[in-house]
Amino acid sequence: AQSVTQLGSHVSVSEGALVLLRCNYSSSVPPYLFWYVQYPNQGLQLLLKYTTGATLVKGINGFEAEFKKSETSFHLTKPSAHMSDAAEYFCAVSGNSGYSTLTFGKGTMLLVSP
Amino acid sequence: NAGVTQTPKFRVLKTGQSMTLLCAQDMNHEYMYWYRQDPGMGLRLIHYSVGEGTTAKGEVPDGYNVSRLKKQNFLLGLESAAPSQTSVYFCASRPQGQSTNEQFFGPGTRLTVL
Repeated sequence: AQSVTQLGSHVSVSEGALVLLRCNYSSSVPPYLFWYVQYPNQGLQLLLKYTTGATLVKGINGFEAEFKKSETSFHLTKPSAHMSDAAEYFCAVSGNSGYSTLTFGKGTMLLVSP
Repeated sequence: NAGVTQTPKFRVLKTGQSMTLLCAQDMNHEYMYWYRQDPGMGLRLIHYSVGEGTTAKGEVPDGYNVSRLKKQNFLLGLESAAPSQTSVYFCASRPQGQSTNEQFFGPGTRLTVL
């Protein structure tokens, strides 16, 4: 069984400020972890993923996330927010087998003000 | 490559009507998925398929049926639509044997049931 908790349905930041979106997971097997972004009226686009190896993962658009097994967390960060980062962000977890399905969190809407 | 496409993009139904949503992918992926997205609920898995002719239930399968007669197509059917099925539906696919379980998403179908 697996689950994802995203803390905060909405996060507001000013342009240029640090972005921190929180994700905690539960998994009975070693997890694969994902962050997806959804812009208005669009599908989901992969930002970054962790499978094995290096725990700090870099993705597109300057985002990165760190897998912390002891804290069961996979928080998403970006040093400096841009107006174009305004979107909904989803954290997801799967097991590490070929048949594993994705379980998504409820999403966090990132609002960026000038 | 078009990737994952969904037909139609929008649809309005009356309660009790039936319809079929079509998902097509041109990436030769083995695995295909149907999700529904509702505000504050994230994405929830309806049904999925690990190959032509095979389907399995996800988290919220009631009221839906699926078929995978061809590898590239995955159909989602609503036999008797209900207002609770008003949602945005996303299809996704991924290749077999992939080491990351990353899924590729279509643009979505917005369904309203009156």
